[in-house]
Amino acid sequence: DIVMTQSPDSLAVSLGERATINCKSSQSVLYSSNNKNYLAWYQQKPGQPPKLLIYWASTRESGVPDRFSGSGSGTDFTLTISSLQAEDVAVYYCQQYYSTLLYTFGQGTKLEIK
Amino acid sequence: QVQLQESGPGLVKPSQTLSLTCTVSGGSISSGSYYWSWIRQPAGKGLEWIGRIYTSGSTNYNPSLKSRVTISVDTSKNQFSLKLSSVTAADTAVYYCARTLGWFDPWGQGTLVTVSS
Repeated sequence: DIVMTQSPDSLAVSLGERATINCKSSQSVLYSSNNKNYLAWYQQKPGQPPKLLIYWASTRESGVPDRFSGSGSGTDFTLTISSLQAEDVAVYYCQQYYSTLLYTFGQGTKLEIK
Repeated sequence: QVQLQESGPGLVKPSQTLSLTCTVSGGSISSGSYYWSWIRQPAGKGLEWIGRIYTSGSTNYNPSLKSRVTISVDTSKNQFSLKLSSVTAADTAVYYCARTLGWFDPWGQGTLVTVSS
C-alpha cells in the first residue's frame, strides 16, 4: 500500500496570509513514462463531499481560485493557499492514484482562521 | 454537467448486507474513459476508497474489504451499485459515489449508513 501522510494535522492561519499543507507518500507516485505525479488534492467543508482542487500534483481544476496551487514531485508534495480567505476553512486531503489497485488518501489537515 | 446521487437504506442490521445505488445524471455512465467508485467516511474521520467499476464490468476493490464487497453497473439505468456483506458497527459511515479518472470528480452528496440493531 502507498501510505499518504499529511502535515500538520491542523493549521491556523490569519486571513490574507499563506497556508501550506504538506503530503508525503511512502513511495514515489511519479510515473517515469509520462513524467506525471499521480497526486490530487481535495477540500472538504462540513456536511459536504470533498471537492477536487488539484490533480497531476499541480493542475488546478476548472473554477478553482488561483490562490490554490500544488507543487512537488516524487514523494513530497505541497498545497499552498497564497492568501487565506474565510471560505477556505475546511479539511484538506491529498490522494494518490499511482496505485490503481488501491487508491489512498492522507489523513486530512484541518485549516482554521487564526 | 454530470451529477451523482446515492440512495439506499440508512439503517442496516449487523451481519446483514448494505446495498446502495448511485444514479448518474447529466451524462451517460458509458461515455468517456471513466471508472466509477465508492468511497466512505466514518464520522469525524478520513476517506477510504472501497472500489471502482468500469462500464465493461471490470472491477477493483480495496484489499481490506475485497471479501465483502461487490460493485456492479447497470448502464441501461445509468446506475452503479455497492453491496457490502456481513456489516458491523465499523461499517457505519457516509458513503459517497464518485466519477473516477484516478482522481475523483464529481462526488455525490453522500448518504449516511448506520449499522445498528
